[in-house]
This record gives sequence, C-alpha cells and structure tokens, in this order.
Amino acid sequence: GNSVTQMEGPVTLSEEAFLTINCTYTATGYPSLFWYVQYPGEGLQLLLKATKADDKGSNKGFEATYRKETTSFHLEKGSVQVSDSAVYFCALTAWNRDDKIIFGKGTRLHILP
Amino acid sequence: EAQVTQNPRYLITVTGKKLTVTCSQNMNHEYMSWYRQDPGLGLRQIYYSMNVEVTDKGDVPEGYKVSRKEKRNFPLILESPSPNQTSLYFCASSAQGGGLGYTFGSGTRLTVV
Repeated sequence: GNSVTQMEGPVTLSEEAFLTINCTYTATGYPSLFWYVQYPGEGLQLLLKATKADDKGSNKGFEATYRKETTSFHLEKGSVQVSDSAVYFCALTAWNRDDKIIFGKGTRLHILP
Repeated sequence: EAQVTQNPRYLITVTGKKLTVTCSQNMNHEYMSWYRQDPGLGLRQIYYSMNVEVTDKGDVPEGYKVSRKEKRNFPLILESPSPNQTSLYFCASSAQGGGLGYTFGSGTRLTVV
C-alpha cells in the first residue's frame, strides 16, 4: 500500500542554519506530494505541494522537489528562523477511489536563537 | 475567508456521555474527513465522506459515528466516549481528487475522564 516515511525528530538547529527534512514515499501510480506544517496549538497548514515528477513546490523560503527516480520529496530551507519551529508532515494523495491522504509521522523542528 | 471550522476547541467529558464535535467548511468541498492525532502515532483517519450521504470508515473508526446530511457539515459523534478516545481531533476538507491539498480545522482537544 501507499506510505510515507520521514526522518524522526526532534531536529534542533540554530537560527540561520540550513534545514533538510527527508521524506520518501511508496505509492502506485503518480501521487501528489505535500508538506504540511503544524505550529504549536494550531491545525495543519499546507506549506507546499508538487503534483508531478520534477515539480518544485515552494513557499515561505521552503522548497521541495518531486523526485520520482528516488521516490523522495525532501524539505529544504536555506536559513531557518525561530518562527519556523513547528512540526512538519510529509504527505501524499494518490488518485484512487477514496482520495485518501497518507501522512508521515511528523518531524518536530526546534530553532534556537 | 476559506476555512474549516471545528467546535469546540477544548472539551473535557466523562466516560459514557455522548458528545458531538462539529465541523463546517465554506469552500463547497466534496471531500471531508476526520483525523485523530496522538503522540508517537501521527495522524490517523477515523472516517471520511466523498459527498453528501456518502461516508466510509478510515483506519480507526471504532467508537465513532459521522453523518453528512449537508455538503458543508460533517459532525463527529462519540456515542459512549471512553478514556482511550482522549486525543486531538482534526477535521479536513478538499475538492474532489485531493490533488490541490487539504484544508484543516484548528483542532479539538478532547479529554475523557
């Protein structure tokens, strides 16, 4: 079945450091890929998405490229801020009967000032 | 503003006392879903609905009921809550196909004592 695996956290970085959160997936067909962010005490927000191979999603300085050959969708940011502290979820939807979204377990990110 | 609205945000109840968590969306989305979020287990789907009067079980449906009488509303019903249903609950909606991403509510933190 479809699945998403992302690196376990927590990840702790200093402000202005480079961020990578790894995400790989298993899916039949051609899924759409997403990163969601959950700030403390809030619901999940869509951060960025990519719907086909080699697409790059980007938002708020974050980027992720849909790599079909490595079945990966790693999240990157060149210079993190304290306000980026949150839990990040990689997810996919496959074009199937129930439109189900499959989430990774989430990665907690702490940014130190 | 496009949004998914859940109520209440916080709820403490006693074992066996029926409760309903409401969810409403204003985006005319066909698809709606309920998730629970627990530490170490990530997000798990409880029920989903592809459209009015069409609902189906997710991964953890036991102890829950839903209904979809109108397109905008998708209430979650706990007929006889138990302590193992203490969790953070999220409602989400999307346009059919899910490829554009999901919009999540702010969450309902339920404690059953």
